[in-house]
Amino acid sequence: KQEVTQIPAALSVPEGENLVLNCSFTDSAIYNLQWFRQDPGKGLTSLLLIQSSQREQTSGRLNASLDKSSGRSTLYIAASQPGDSATYLCAATNYGGATNKLIFGTGTLLAVQP
Amino acid sequence: DVKVTQSSRYLVKRTGEKVFLECVQDMDHENMFWYRQDPGLGLRLIYFSYDVKMKEKGDIPEGYSVSREKKERFSLILESASTNQTSMYLCASSFGQADTIYFGEGSWLTVV
Repeated sequence: KQEVTQIPAALSVPEGENLVLNCSFTDSAIYNLQWFRQDPGKGLTSLLLIQSSQREQTSGRLNASLDKSSGRSTLYIAASQPGDSATYLCAATNYGGATNKLIFGTGTLLAVQP
Repeated sequence: DVKVTQSSRYLVKRTGEKVFLECVQDMDHENMFWYRQDPGLGLRLIYFSYDVKMKEKGDIPEGYSVSREKKERFSLILESASTNQTSMYLCASSFGQADTIYFGEGSWLTVV
């Protein structure tokens, strides 16, 4: 059974710092891995999707990597800003027979201090 | 722009009431999902649907049912609300099963 873990649960950094968020998964037979952002009391916003055949995806200051063999994905945020403060979640899509299943980590709460 | 709309943001219901949570997407997506999110437990899948009138149980379907009469609308039904169903409910949709998934803003349900 797939388990997705995000460590640390919370992170505080000063503005301008580059940072890395970690996501680990136990079953490497994934279809893809997605990163999301969630602001307090709101829904999830999709940031990046990496297909299993890809190594990384980039969008602006965000770069997500995927290493299936080690069961790890990282989200790199460059030049962090207070507006980046949110909870970041990763989710792995596993082959599920007739339908694929998305398994979420519990997230990393990021605070960027001005 | 992609849009998933949950009609009710905040609801307070009494134990035993029947509760309907409505979700509409405007992207012609095949797949729709209902999750609940609780502190320390993360997001858990309740039900999903991959076509009109088709549904499958997720990880925690007990106490819930769903309806998908039209492609754009997916409803979550709590037949008899209980206090342990107090939670944030999130609706989502995707085109294909392994495509980007889009979420609504969430519905906060409190059962008293």
